[in-house]
Amino acid sequence: EPEVTQTPSHQVTQMGQEVILRCVPISNHLYFYWYRQILGQKVEFLVSFYNNEISEKSEIFDDQFSVERPDGSNFTLKIRSTKLEDSAMYFCASSVMTGNEQFFGPGTRLTVL
Amino acid sequence: GESVGLHLPTLSVQEGDNSIINCAYSNSASDYFIWYKQESGKGPQFIIDIRSNMDKRQGQRVTVLLNKTVKHLSLQIAATQPGDSAVYFCAENGPGFQKLVFGTGTRLLVSP
Repeated sequence: EPEVTQTPSHQVTQMGQEVILRCVPISNHLYFYWYRQILGQKVEFLVSFYNNEISEKSEIFDDQFSVERPDGSNFTLKIRSTKLEDSAMYFCASSVMTGNEQFFGPGTRLTVL
Repeated sequence: GESVGLHLPTLSVQEGDNSIINCAYSNSASDYFIWYKQESGKGPQFIIDIRSNMDKRQGQRVTVLLNKTVKHLSLQIAATQPGDSAVYFCAENGPGFQKLVFGTGTRLLVSP
């Protein structure tokens, strides 16, 4: 069964450093998403991406964040200058269409020291 | 994907019991709802979904009920098994929006 994959599973970085989280969505999906989950809290939407551009973003997704689909398979989330409060699980998801089931990857745990 | 929280509602059941997990959603305009299961260290896993033109949908051992009048969603799990132990989230999607808005989650603990 096709699934969303994410790398790395765990990323440790120093405050102020840039990180890139990587995702490979399901191959025939057209919509891609990033969510995050701070420990003990609910899953929060960050951004959605369709047709090579951001289609929706939350107030969390400020200028420090960017997304890219550099080739036909990868979907990346970049945090330019990490802050302590960026420590969380980051989940990538994809869907065939909007308003349909979103399939989630296993997540990347980001720890900012 | 740890969703362990000190304030997470917990439902404890015995193996073989039926479980009912409830969720209040926020947006009366939401028209698509999903239940996800999240096991420790994993991402949310789709269980079942329902659209606003329905009030009940059944899957294998699971049933989702939607009450739009009071903005309430429930997940019923029949013959609960130890493998069902996880945190369960409801999520809603509004028309014209791509994002899912997640609820706070309920921890289900199933004792053998």
